[in-house]
Amino acid sequence: NAGVTQTPKFQVLKTGQSMTLQCAQDMNHNSMYWYRQDPGMGLRLIYYSASEGTTDKGEVPNGYNVSRLNKREFSLRLESAAPSQTSVYFCATQHGGSNQPQHFGDGTRLSIL
Amino acid sequence: QKEVEQNSGPLSVPEGAIASLNCTYSDRGSQSFFWYRQYSGKSPELIMSIYSNGDKEDGRFTAQLNKASQYVSLLIRDSQPSDSATYLCAGGRNNFNKFYFGSGTKLNVKP
Repeated sequence: NAGVTQTPKFQVLKTGQSMTLQCAQDMNHNSMYWYRQDPGMGLRLIYYSASEGTTDKGEVPNGYNVSRLNKREFSLRLESAAPSQTSVYFCATQHGGSNQPQHFGDGTRLSIL
Repeated sequence: QKEVEQNSGPLSVPEGAIASLNCTYSDRGSQSFFWYRQYSGKSPELIMSIYSNGDKEDGRFTAQLNKASQYVSLLIRDSQPSDSATYLCAGGRNNFNKFYFGSGTKLNVKP
């Protein structure tokens, strides 16, 4: 009963390093999302994928890239990490359209020094 | 103007009282609304969904929707200290990328 699994749970990077955050779901949902959440701020959408093979920018896409590898997996890549990208990153999935709820993974806590 | 607005709080209520959390939205095309609970350091957890005008009850939780006034609320009866968390309101319409979260209201339930 895993639902939405994010790896890693914690990561510390140095400025300029790259890394990929992984998200996998076993809910058979079509849509997947990446958010970041900063202290005192709400969830901000980075990228989303409405279905396998499609991706679109959200509110704050700069500095990130995504890949929808298959229906189950949606990865978020930071090519050259910056301290401003220190945040908690959540992956979410959704069945069908945006009139359905989203379901979240446990998050990745990322610190960039 | 944000698509979904919530008072950031904190809202403080004594144990056993009714906590009332409110949310307004600007997109009249929004069809569905959701309440999430987020404990500190954890991910948002879906606790209520509401799709039509009126009230929907689930245990100690009641969600209320008024589409004419573009208003959504969550009532928590017999509040417990374990209800202390941030509550996120969300709304969506059947278009991708038309799903909006409010910034959340922090609820403190005092023993």
